[in-house]
Amino acid sequence: LAKTTQPISMDSYEGQEVNITCSHNNIATNDYITWYQQFPSQGPRFIIQGYKTKVTNEVASLFIPADRKSSTLSLPRVSLSDTAVYYCLVNAGNNRKLIWGLGTSLAVNP
Amino acid sequence: NAGVTQTPKFQVLKTGQSMTLQCAQDMNHNSMYWYRQDPGMGLRLIYYSASEGTTDKGEVPNGYNVSRLNKREFSLRLESAAPSQTSVYFCASSGGRVHRDRGLGRVILYEQYFGPGTRLTVT
Repeated sequence: LAKTTQPISMDSYEGQEVNITCSHNNIATNDYITWYQQFPSQGPRFIIQGYKTKVTNEVASLFIPADRKSSTLSLPRVSLSDTAVYYCLVNAGNNRKLIWGLGTSLAVNP
Repeated sequence: NAGVTQTPKFQVLKTGQSMTLQCAQDMNHNSMYWYRQDPGMGLRLIYYSASEGTTDKGEVPNGYNVSRLNKREFSLRLESAAPSQTSVYFCASSGGRVHRDRGLGRVILYEQYFGPGTRLTVT
């Protein structure tokens, strides 16, 4: 399973766009990229998932370049409630097991 | 639809005591998981169950046992608790979502749904 590297922490302000980049140099052909969000004292929550190019949903966008060795989670116009830890994972389709890294702790300031 | 539920929410044990953490899901998912989360360590997989009647070890299985009682329930047992098992325990489930990729064909993606966690302290 591919290992991911992401910044330990980031700071932002309300209303700004936040981009969190994850590196996964050893991603395999059939690996998908998935992002989860975790608030204090809660379990992680699925945000978005993609294989290549760009994926957008009501919460975030995920940008994946052609070589797929990295991905960027984009949170538009963050608010205080977006303060959380964000995890980037890669896992193969048809694979139930996930390898979790340390995540990125995002602090949104007023 | 409660999703994934866990009991208890908090527990304090003395070294050597035993206990069982309960987990149940009402989403008809086949796969269930037990994780522990420690400060600075991220989530680590203890055991998982791909389907009713099957269980497999994860990254840190020592000191734990599991039972997949039926499709809904997956319990985690500590036979003889140790201070090193002080942690927050999360149960998760996933059902598998069929995705058709132009290059890869039919792929099953497993999004995990987590319970609220059990905070366990062993003294």
